[in-house]
Amino acid sequence: DAGVTQSPTHLIKTRGQQVTLRCSPKSGHDTVSWYQQALGQGPQFIFQYYEEEERQRGNFPDRFSGHQFPNYSSELNVNALLLGDSALYLCASSLRQGVVYTEAFFGQGTRLTVV
Amino acid sequence: AQSVSQHNHHVILSEAASLELGCNYSYGGTVNLFWYVQYPGQHLQLLLKYFSGDPLVKGIKGFEAEFIKSKFSFNLRKPSVQWSDTAEYFCAVNAKGGATNKLIFGTGTLLAVQP
Repeated sequence: DAGVTQSPTHLIKTRGQQVTLRCSPKSGHDTVSWYQQALGQGPQFIFQYYEEEERQRGNFPDRFSGHQFPNYSSELNVNALLLGDSALYLCASSLRQGVVYTEAFFGQGTRLTVV
Repeated sequence: AQSVSQHNHHVILSEAASLELGCNYSYGGTVNLFWYVQYPGQHLQLLLKYFSGDPLVKGIKGFEAEFIKSKFSFNLRKPSVQWSDTAEYFCAVNAKGGATNKLIFGTGTLLAVQP
């Protein structure tokens, strides 16, 4: 049973560029969330996707956008990269059961460095 | 504002010592509570969770946590740590019955166990 998989594992981008990160949820899961983890900090919620729609968004600018596909996989896009966007980006998946969710499972993350 | 506080940023223990990591949360509603662990080079893994019922919950690898509602606390304990417990530990909370299962994390506690 595959867990949450993210690609790429590492990425170096230049300020001003755009980046796309990818996530495949754990088998059987239908909900994907993205988090940003800066060095020495806990993960910060970016947004969550369910049924291909953004359901909730954290305190992140519109430069951060996402998408969920019919197979439940997801992408995180960041435009106009800033040095401060350097962080570990985590994808988490869970299963929505009525009005409740199972616990979130996390991928290993994509380490983004902006130079 | 919703927040999670972890009081210990770095903890150093000798093997066989007892462990207690503090976690307090601020949230104006009913919550689910979690402890996640991140071993060196690995992804975030769920250690234990509290949704309802017995406030003393047991997790993997001999860890347990106690939910004290009156103190808004969910402290993690282990009676005897091992070198393999060296990791970063994150306390997290989300809203019970919320529109999403957005997690709010503490800043983490780095535990180093000396052999």
